[in-house]
Amino acid sequence: EAGVAQSPRYKIIEKRQSVAFWCNPISGHATLYWYQQILGQGPKLLIQFQNNGVVDDSQLPKDRFSAERLKGVDSTLKIQPAKLEDSAVYLCASSLGRGTGSGVDTEAFFGQGTRLTVV
Amino acid sequence: SQQGEEDPQALSIQEGENATMNCSYKTSINNLQWYRQNSGRGLVHLILIRSNEREKHSGRLRVTLDTSKKSSSLLITASRAADTASYFCAHRRPGNQFYFGTGTSLTVIP
Repeated sequence: EAGVAQSPRYKIIEKRQSVAFWCNPISGHATLYWYQQILGQGPKLLIQFQNNGVVDDSQLPKDRFSAERLKGVDSTLKIQPAKLEDSAVYLCASSLGRGTGSGVDTEAFFGQGTRLTVV
Repeated sequence: SQQGEEDPQALSIQEGENATMNCSYKTSINNLQWYRQNSGRGLVHLILIRSNEREKHSGRLRVTLDTSKKSSSLLITASRAADTASYFCAHRRPGNQFYFGTGTSLTVIP
């Protein structure tokens, strides 16, 4: 079974520039997550999709971050314009996400992440 | 913050000893999961415990859950150098939102 694919693996940009990250989840997984992980900290949920609908984007800085999930499969996360504090690893994950209640209690599978450095 | 919290932040033990790390969260949950992250790599799922379970075992791992205290603990028995990594708890809320804790950095000294 193919895992979660992310690209690029590394990206260096100047502040105020734009950047986009791409994620292809495991086939058949309805739930897709984007996390931001700053060095030495835990992953912070930016946005969570169920198919192509948003479950939670309460921690997404919407003035500069945007995300979409086309046709409930691939997803892109964009930052425009980038700030120095956006330097982090951006992790994409997916899970089966069927139903509600106990039916959604599946593990999440993570990609290798994109390491963003803003200079 | 929506994140859970873990303690200790860092733990250093000798090979063969047991390692215990704790996790707390703030809301009701459907389940709680533990993940491991080796330096520079993605997160790997270790174990899942449902809200109606109190204890679960998997190999050298033992997880407990106390929903009245909104806390969980992960015990790794007979630790090995290869267990050196960061460990994160993650709680799944009834609305399916999935939040991680702050993590514990474990170093096992050979």
